[in-house]
Amino acid sequence: GAVVSQHPSRVICKSGTSVKIECRSLDFQATTMFWYRQFPKQSLMLMATSNEGSKATYEQGVEKDKFLINHASLTLSTLTVTSAHPEDSSFYICSAPDGRGREGTDTQYFGPGTRLTVL
Amino acid sequence: GDSVTQMEGPVTLSEEAFLTINCTYTATGYPSLFWYVQYPGEGLQLLLKATKADDKGSNKGFEATYRKETTSFHLEKGSVQVSDSAVYFCALSSYSSASKIIFGSGTRLSIRP
Repeated sequence: GAVVSQHPSRVICKSGTSVKIECRSLDFQATTMFWYRQFPKQSLMLMATSNEGSKATYEQGVEKDKFLINHASLTLSTLTVTSAHPEDSSFYICSAPDGRGREGTDTQYFGPGTRLTVL
Repeated sequence: GDSVTQMEGPVTLSEEAFLTINCTYTATGYPSLFWYVQYPGEGLQLLLKATKADDKGSNKGFEATYRKETTSFHLEKGSVQVSDSAVYFCALSSYSSASKIIFGSGTRLSIRP
């Protein structure tokens, strides 16, 4: 099946620094990718929709200036957590639909996640 | 808006027991329904899916049937194994949600040997 990778898998940073997380679709193109955040023992919360060639769409309550998203190509989306604080520590997961079905029926492939720890 | 409600956990069963994890949804139109599984320390994996009413998704002994009349997509397995211990997420995606995946809260399943 299709594969989505994320890099890095884990990152520890100091408060106030910025961290970039990459999401790549390895064997298919994705004009849209999604970024989620998962707190321990909780469900995935959608943060934003990354759109190739245009601005990302953020969910209500997500600060777009703090979580910068760039969809540089049909296989790469990046999430940059700017001026990170301890409360940004979380598990960040991206996904990409394979585009083979009508909208809403695409299979979504998830990356393995990136665990961010802000000291 | 669209939403998914699933059975709260944790659920603890003995090996070879029958498993049901309930899931109901609210959506406009005709969503696709999914079960995802997250094994300890791993990423999310698609377990099974159904894209229209009365479809049955199945994989690894797990089954779920898309019931439009009851807006449900309950996950079942006839005989669970220790290796099935994981967190299970019911989810939907629809045209009205622009292909976003809407997740339920997750159900943690532990299987005793």
